Amino acid sequence: AQTVTQSQPEMSVQEAETVTLSCTYDTSESDYYLFWYKQPPSRQMILVIRQEAYKQQNATENRFSVNFQKAAKSFSLKISDSQLGDAAMYFCAYRSFMEYGNKLVFGAGTILRVKS
Amino acid sequence: GAVVSQHPSWVICKSGTSVKIECRSLDFQATTMFWYRQFPKQSLMLMATSNEGSKATYEQGVEKDKFLINHASLTLSTLTVTSAHPEDSSFYICSAPRAGRETQYFGPGTRLLVL
Repeated sequence: AQTVTQSQPEMSVQEAETVTLSCTYDTSESDYYLFWYKQPPSRQMILVIRQEAYKQQNATENRFSVNFQKAAKSFSLKISDSQLGDAAMYFCAYRSFMEYGNKLVFGAGTILRVKS
Repeated sequence: GAVVSQHPSWVICKSGTSVKIECRSLDFQATTMFWYRQFPKQSLMLMATSNEGSKATYEQGVEKDKFLINHASLTLSTLTVTSAHPEDSSFYICSAPRAGRETQYFGPGTRLLVL
């Protein structure tokens, strides 16, 4: 079974600075998807970024980018120019490639605090 | 973008009563939906996979008779917490994957408080 590990329960960053959230995973599959979801105080889950394992290029969405190291099974999220609205709980998630109906496997989450 | 709604967003009930939570995919059809439970500052715990036209698949440790799931149509799944007790108080979230998309779309969640 696949597992996802987020080793940082909490992180803090100064507004406008850069922060990196760590995520490692364990799988025997070669094709899969990785996601970062954001859960703000409203508790609505919001997709931040997605990475397909077969793509070598790291995904980027505006101020959010990932460092995907397939061999190391690492998938970190970098947030540049942090804003107060980035404060939330962030979850790393894994999904098998096989079919769209497959479930997500979530990490424990990292609470990100942004200081003004 | 794809939208998933949940109703109600908040529910308070007395111990022993049953509570039904609805999850709807508003602009796409979903043959599969997922139900999660989340405690404060913790991760989402998958409870069950709801399948349209067939029985739900429950995760290990989840009581099937306590948490009844019905996938009534391609846009609606319901979770019924039967004979609710205070320990069932939690935040319940549903999600639905969209065919042709790799992403799951999440509902806004339902806060359940059992007194």
